[in-house]
Amino acid sequence: GIQVEQSPPDLILQEGANSTLRCNFSDSVNNLQWFHQNPWGQLINLFYIPSGTKQNGRLSATTVATERYSLLYISSSQTTDSGVYFCAVGSSNTGKLIFGQGTTLQVKP
Amino acid sequence: NAGVMQNPRHLVRRRGQEARLRCSPMKGHSHVYWYRQLPEEGLKFMVYLQKENIIDESGMPKERFSAEFPKEGPSILRIQQVVRGDSAAYFCASSPGSRNQPQHFGDGTRLSIL
Repeated sequence: GIQVEQSPPDLILQEGANSTLRCNFSDSVNNLQWFHQNPWGQLINLFYIPSGTKQNGRLSATTVATERYSLLYISSSQTTDSGVYFCAVGSSNTGKLIFGQGTTLQVKP
Repeated sequence: NAGVMQNPRHLVRRRGQEARLRCSPMKGHSHVYWYRQLPEEGLKFMVYLQKENIIDESGMPKERFSAEFPKEGPSILRIQQVVRGDSAAYFCASSPGSRNQPQHFGDGTRLSIL
């Protein structure tokens, strides 16, 4: 099946810094989503982005489907950005999502 | 416009009991997915259902686990004779279609087995 790899596994930032998280996948996809799992365990839907670029406030994402990767940019990070960021892809007719192992982000004040 | 509703948020069971987890999809969504997150791990797909049909159960354990999505009412994930290893967060997601559609997730049910 399709493989999803996220990097880096862990990231520590000072408040105000920028960061880029990467998601590589091993096959063509028809769905790609980025999620933020907050310290309370809730999964927050950040982007649905099987291709192209989207922006939402301090966050933006780019997926280059032909090269099989997606990037999540966080600018001017805040302590509330802390948590785990998951990339998930779907490639089958049933639409099930395959999740990466996540990037754990800690933003220090 | 309510999102995906899961209940209970927390569920405690003793070994050997049954656990029932409920999921009401977003309004207008007829596709439901269940995922499991074991401690310190990512989410793993379990089962995909449409109304009254199981479409893909390739991620479901072979024994003790079952799922349904009846014509009326929420989707139910049922775990019989629970064991310690079933302790996890169980997430439900819904979408209006199966392909090229974002999935919207509920807040999950945290299942603890004593």
